[in-house]
Amino acid sequence: GEDVEQSLFLSVREGDSSVINCTYTDSSSTYLYWYKQEPGAGLQLLTYIFSNMDMKQDQRLTVLLNKKDKHLSLRIADTQTGDSAIYFCAVLEGGSYIPTFGRGTSLIVHP
Amino acid sequence: ETGVTQTPRHLVMGMTNKKSLKCEQHLGHNAMYWYKQSAKKPLELMFVYNFKEQTENNSVPSRFSPECPNSSHLFLHLHTLQPEDSALYLCASSLTSGGVANTGELFFGEGSRLTVL
Repeated sequence: GEDVEQSLFLSVREGDSSVINCTYTDSSSTYLYWYKQEPGAGLQLLTYIFSNMDMKQDQRLTVLLNKKDKHLSLRIADTQTGDSAIYFCAVLEGGSYIPTFGRGTSLIVHP
Repeated sequence: ETGVTQTPRHLVMGMTNKKSLKCEQHLGHNAMYWYKQSAKKPLELMFVYNFKEQTENNSVPSRFSPECPNSSHLFLHLHTLQPEDSALYLCASSLTSGGVANTGELFFGEGSRLTVL
């Protein structure tokens, strides 16, 4: 089955860019997602990318996909304290409807 | 507001109690999920229902009993729980049909925080 790996913590200064990385194992992956979880809340979809794309930009968010290396990243420009949360990478294998989630990366934004 | 509503948001129960968690979605989705989220552990998929049929049961102890009466409602019945069952229980839903227009994402509720004493 699919295996999705993320580093557990990232600390950045307010105003800097944050880059959260994710690797996965299944080359048949179709959709790849980034979710955000704020304290005491559920997961909220931030953005997704289809496997035939290399990049997707949405305001401060940039998603990069390197299919050859099976590497997905989420860049947050001008990171704010409100961006402090846990960010989950999730990957949907071809033929499945249940995405596989990473362990989540805790983003800490300090002044 | 995500379209997936979970009740109660907080629940405290003793080990001998019986309680239920409820999840409701009005997004027109046909698949519903229960996840367990414990501190310092990965998100654990517990059960999946697709068109009211259970399609996944990831070796969950029998003290957790799911029920899916229709595609909009999902329950998790709890009995004789252990303190290690204390966690955030997340419900999610998704559309599994719809062809190429379906991007497959899960929509999550806010979770039910369960504490077992």
